[in-house]
Amino acid sequence: EAGVAQSPRYKIIEKRQSVAFWCNPISGHATLYWYQQILGQGPKLLIQFQNNGVVDDSQLPKDRFSAERLKGVDSTLKIQPAKLEDSAVYLCASSFSTTGWAGELFFGEGSRLTVL
Amino acid sequence: ILNVEQSPQSLHVQEGDSTNFTCSFPSSNFYALHWYRWETAKSPEALFVMTLNGDEKKKGRISATLNTKEGYSYLYIKGSQPEDSATYLCAFNQAGTALIFGKGTTLSVSS
Repeated sequence: EAGVAQSPRYKIIEKRQSVAFWCNPISGHATLYWYQQILGQGPKLLIQFQNNGVVDDSQLPKDRFSAERLKGVDSTLKIQPAKLEDSAVYLCASSFSTTGWAGELFFGEGSRLTVL
Repeated sequence: ILNVEQSPQSLHVQEGDSTNFTCSFPSSNFYALHWYRWETAKSPEALFVMTLNGDEKKKGRISATLNTKEGYSYLYIKGSQPEDSATYLCAFNQAGTALIFGKGTTLSVSS
């Protein structure tokens, strides 16, 4: 079974530039998450989708971050314009379960962003 | 604001040593407690998902316990091996909410 695919693995940009990350979850997984992990901190939820609807985006900085999950399958996370503090690993995860069930998350390898 | 605390932050042991980590979480409205292992350059991988007070789970040399009344979980590694070197993440959620992760415990095992 193919795992969660993410790209790119690494990205270096200047501040104020834009960047986009892509995620393809495990086939059949209804729920998709984007987490931001800043060095020295735990992963922080940015947005949770169930199928193609947003369940939780309360911690997404909406002035610069956007995310979509068209057709309830793959997803794109965009940052525009990037700030220095956006340097982090962006983890995509998927789960077979819908909200309210304690199913494990399956993670991709992450996209490491460096903003100079 | 819900918070998950993990200790120690990092740990260095010799091959063959046994070790344990602690995860503390809010005891109210508990739903599930997850442990993940994250090796460098790889994706985080689930070790255990625990939902019941008193749960004990085991996978090879790794085991975990859960106390939801007092809000803590322990992860034990018996006879540590170099391949156990990784960051161990604990995550907790209440019903209807997404997982909240701790900062992790980074384990380094020397041969």
